[in-house]
Amino acid sequence: AQSVAQPEDQVNVAEGNPLTVKCTYSVSGNPYLFWYVQYPNRGLQFLLKYITGDNLVKGSYGFEAEFNKSQTSFHLKKPSALVSDSALYFCAVRDEDFNKFYFGSGTKLNVKP
Amino acid sequence: EAGVAQSPRYKIIEKRQSVAFWCNPISGHATLYWYQQILGQGPKLLIQFQNNGVVDDSQLPKDRFSAERLKGVDSTLKIQPAKLEDSAVYLCASSLESGQGRGTIYFGEGSWLTVV
Repeated sequence: AQSVAQPEDQVNVAEGNPLTVKCTYSVSGNPYLFWYVQYPNRGLQFLLKYITGDNLVKGSYGFEAEFNKSQTSFHLKKPSALVSDSALYFCAVRDEDFNKFYFGSGTKLNVKP
Repeated sequence: EAGVAQSPRYKIIEKRQSVAFWCNPISGHATLYWYQQILGQGPKLLIQFQNNGVVDDSQLPKDRFSAERLKGVDSTLKIQPAKLEDSAVYLCASSLESGQGRGTIYFGEGSWLTVV
């Protein structure tokens, strides 16, 4: 069965420190992997995606994610966190065979000054 | 490029009343999705259209929810009659299935429903 897991409900980090938001997935075939961010009272905004190619993907607002096929992971990272990065982050995987998206349960990122 | 448009943004209704949400996807996007997001949870797919045909509606509560995309462009999601547990954000999204931007879902700002 296809699934996405975000093992941390919440991640706390101090401003200026690096941040990591974890995601693991299970999907048949080659995965398309995505990260989205949701600010309060807003829809989901696309951050970045991995389809093929370089395992390190760079996206919006200085975020990047690393695809690790052996560990079936796609962790979101940023070298230096900002208070304005505080939001809800969703990992998603798309099954290329069945054209369906599966979303994780979300991780709340708190960046403190 | 205009994003996914949704209306209304906010709606408060009493239980057993009906409500309708409208969505206009990004121009040229053949696939349209309706998701339900309950506070604190991830989006749950209600229905997926490819042009004006339904691809997946397995999680749509068909006794009270209906959706249509008659001309393959904009779409309407209706709830009748509403229950308290329908209080959620209803997110419309669209995606392009070809070209460089293929495969990415783009979301609207959502329609926030409160059932009292």
